[in-house]
Amino acid sequence: TQLLEQSPQFLSIQEGENLTVYCNSSSVFSSLQWYRQEPGEGPVLLVTVVTGGEVKKLKRLTFQFGDARKDSSLHITAAQPGDTGLYLCAVLPLGTDKLIFGTGTRLQVFP
Amino acid sequence: GAGVSQSPSNKVTEKGKDVELRCDPISGHTALYWYRQRLGQGLEFLIYFQGNSAPDKSGLPSDRFSAERTGESVSTLTIQRTQQEDSAVYLCASSLSWTEELFFGSGTQLSVL
Repeated sequence: TQLLEQSPQFLSIQEGENLTVYCNSSSVFSSLQWYRQEPGEGPVLLVTVVTGGEVKKLKRLTFQFGDARKDSSLHITAAQPGDTGLYLCAVLPLGTDKLIFGTGTRLQVFP
Repeated sequence: GAGVSQSPSNKVTEKGKDVELRCDPISGHTALYWYRQRLGQGLEFLIYFQGNSAPDKSGLPSDRFSAERTGESVSTLTIQRTQQEDSAVYLCASSLSWTEELFFGSGTQLSVL
């Protein structure tokens, strides 16, 4: 079983649409990170959320950490083709030193 | 260099051959990670180094896989007797510590024929 489940697995939308992707777990985490990976490149950190209920905004991207610190969402407003990529959430399980990644959401934004 | 460097960027090998993948982390970064990414999938944790020590090797898929790090710098991931299921992108990342942001290289695309 996966520690982190992301949904949807794939998402294809037109430029200008809004979307939300989710990262869910049954475990509690002290913090959660979101990364974006473009083809042929390694993932790049977008944000780290640490407090239950926390909301962080990065231009058109809004990240929320669940109140119970078990899940998170990423909302993109007015998607652009440049938002295309694989979105990954990642956590550091309590008592371990290894950053574990979710299954990923592959987003394609068409002009 | 300014970022994490991995070499080679592409490697094609025959089944049964050994391969060695190299990672040069950002200078001063004490933590170094190896991940595997199969086509269209997420990242699978392989191994983590803190300095030259690997506290957690539990992610290595089999005893054909090994990794080492020297001088708290360069790391090599070795796959012996490669199999077709080893085909994937192998990503290396480094960070100041295990609680900090990971900086990734562009990966090595390994194809086992």
